[in-house]
Amino acid sequence: GENVEQHPSTLSVQEGDSAVIKCTYSDSASNYFPWYKQELGKRPQLIIDIRSNVGEKKDQRIAVTLNKTAKHFSLHITETQPEDSAVYFCAATPSGSARQLTFGSGTQLTVLP
Amino acid sequence: DADVTQTPRNRITKTGKRIMLECSQTKGHDRMYWYRQDPGLGLRLIYYSFDVKDINKGEISDGYSVSRQAQAKFSLSLESAIPNQTALYFCATSDPGTRSSYNEQFFGPGTRLTVL
Repeated sequence: GENVEQHPSTLSVQEGDSAVIKCTYSDSASNYFPWYKQELGKRPQLIIDIRSNVGEKKDQRIAVTLNKTAKHFSLHITETQPEDSAVYFCAATPSGSARQLTFGSGTQLTVLP
Repeated sequence: DADVTQTPRNRITKTGKRIMLECSQTKGHDRMYWYRQDPGLGLRLIYYSFDVKDINKGEISDGYSVSRQAQAKFSLSLESAIPNQTALYFCATSDPGTRSSYNEQFFGPGTRLTVL
């Protein structure tokens, strides 16, 4: 089955700086890569996703890049703000009808004022 | 607003007790999932169901069972709870056929379960 590794497990940045979280996956058939954000005490929510036919996707201050050859993808947050502090999870899913997600172990991002 | 709800939100129980966690959704989604979240381990899939007659084991199904009573309801049972089942449990739904996001999952608020 799919295995997703996520690094780092914790990340602290100064407000206004950029943050990068990286994930690698094992199943070359995976073709969908979402990122979820979980604020303290809240439920995970999708913030951005990318399909394998796209190399990069941006949505305001967040972007995701995908390198299919190396089987890794990354989340980039620019101009970080205190409200970006949360746990971020990457995930991957293979093609086919059984589209269950395999999640990474999560990154606790802290944006320091 | 259409939502995913879970009951109870918190539960403390003793080793050996049977526990049921319930999930309901008003999103009209066919697919439902149960995950557990442990610090440093992310979200791990316990069971999933793609329709009322479909039940599938996930990564960590041992010690758990599920029931899909209707499209909108998916329950998780711990037949004989043990302390290492102490965790935060999330239900989620998805409906890839209708959303622009390929397989966006919508999570419930979670149930914090403590087994003493």
